[in-house]
Amino acid sequence: EAQVTQNPRYLITVTGKKLTVTCSQNMNHEYMSWYRQDPGLGLRQIYYSMNVEVTDKGDVPEGYKVSRKEKRNFPLILESPSPNQTSLYFCASTPGLAGARGELFFGEGSRLTVL
Amino acid sequence: DQQVKQNSPSLSVQEGRISILNCDYTNSMFDYFLWYKKYPAEGPTFLISISSIKDKNEDGRFTVFLNKSAKHLSLHIVPSQPGDSAVYFCAASAQKTSYDKVIFGPGTSLSVIP
Repeated sequence: EAQVTQNPRYLITVTGKKLTVTCSQNMNHEYMSWYRQDPGLGLRQIYYSMNVEVTDKGDVPEGYKVSRKEKRNFPLILESPSPNQTSLYFCASTPGLAGARGELFFGEGSRLTVL
Repeated sequence: DQQVKQNSPSLSVQEGRISILNCDYTNSMFDYFLWYKKYPAEGPTFLISISSIKDKNEDGRFTVFLNKSAKHLSLHIVPSQPGDSAVYFCAASAQKTSYDKVIFGPGTSLSVIP
């Protein structure tokens, strides 16, 4: 089954404790991206990757890091989480935006709470 | 400053009637527009899209209309069904200039009442 898998789905952590949210897709997609969803703000892009070893900042990259060592995986790293990073996070992928025109496949989401 | 706006946070419609969800955008470089549907505890799923060279695209009960001069698009659902109750996100991208970003609106929560 074609899918984007995120883990963990739910996490409660404390300020400053490093965490990683994993994202894996099995569709051989080139493009992957992370979004956060907050009330009234919709989905805002954090980071994206056009291909292996190619990453770039989205609209709200502060406090986050990513890496793309393999085509299928695109982990989101919070080195020192803060309460303002409490949010619902989505990973997404697509074969290539130029061809797919922004038709993204999303994971089920990871709800993160930072105390 | 939001480039994609959905000014109605919520909408309630009777089953069988038409649902109209609206979206406005500010960036004239946007040339491709999409609607996503999201159920609770699930990720958004692509619903329908439209290129700026068209003014209408239809897929079953779903039709998207684009008015480029007004920088406005709308999603029509006819007839509305209880299973359509979800949050709908409007999204836009500028394929010709910056195809690496898809900008989303804040979403409209649709409730279809049986």
